[in-house]
Amino acid sequence: AQSVTQPDIHITVSEGASLELRCNYSYGATPYLFWYVQSPGQGLQLLLKYFSGDTLVQGIKGFEAEFKRSQSSFNLRKPSVHWSDAAEYFCAVGGGSNYKLTFGKGTLLTVNP
Amino acid sequence: NAGVTQTPKFQVLKTGQSMTLQCAQDMNHEYMSWYRQDPGMGLRLIHYSVGAGITDQGEVPNGYNVSRSTTEDFPLRLLSAAPSQTSVYFCASSYSGRDDTQYFGPGTRLTVL
Repeated sequence: AQSVTQPDIHITVSEGASLELRCNYSYGATPYLFWYVQSPGQGLQLLLKYFSGDTLVQGIKGFEAEFKRSQSSFNLRKPSVHWSDAAEYFCAVGGGSNYKLTFGKGTLLTVNP
Repeated sequence: NAGVTQTPKFQVLKTGQSMTLQCAQDMNHEYMSWYRQDPGMGLRLIHYSVGAGITDQGEVPNGYNVSRSTTEDFPLRLLSAAPSQTSVYFCASSYSGRDDTQYFGPGTRLTVL
C-alpha cells in the first residue's frame, strides 16, 4: 500500500529565511509525487508535481522539490519565504493502477515578520 | 470555466438525517473523487470515479454512497449522518486521474450534531 509521511506537523520560519518541508513516501513502483498548498478556509492548489525525468522540479510561487529515489523523499524547498506563504502544505503520492491519491497529514507553516 | 464547484459551502445536520453534497466540473474531466479532511489526518479518499457509470471505493467509504450518471456531476450521499462524519469534504477532478493534476473544489464544511 502506498503511504506518505510528513514528519513535521508545524514549522515556524522568519520572513526571508529559507524553507524545507520534508516528505517521505512508500510506493512499490515509480511514484507520481505532488505538493499541494492550502490557505485557511480554501481548497488545495497544486504547487508542483513529479512524474519522471529531471529529479529537481520547479513549481509556482518560487517553490521547488527534489525527488530522491534512494531516500524515498520528495522535499519541498524555497530559498526565501514570504509572509503570504503561511499555509498548510500537503505531500501526496499517486500513480498506481488503483487511481488513488494518498496524502500526508500536512505541515502547517507559520511565517514570522 | 468555473472549474470544480461544490454546494453547499456549509451544512449542519442532525444525527440520522440524510443529505447529498453536490460536485460539478466543467472541464470534461473523466476522473472525479471525494475526500474528507480532518484535523491532523490530511485528506482521505472516500470514493472515486474513472468515468460516467463507474465508481469505486477509496480508503474510508463507509456511510457514503456515490453515483456518476454524467461526466460533469459526482454527488456524495450521506445515508444516515453520524457525528463521526463531521468534516470538510473536498471534491476533485482530473483528466486522466492516474498521472494528471487533480483540481480541487472549495470544500463543504459539514457538522453533524
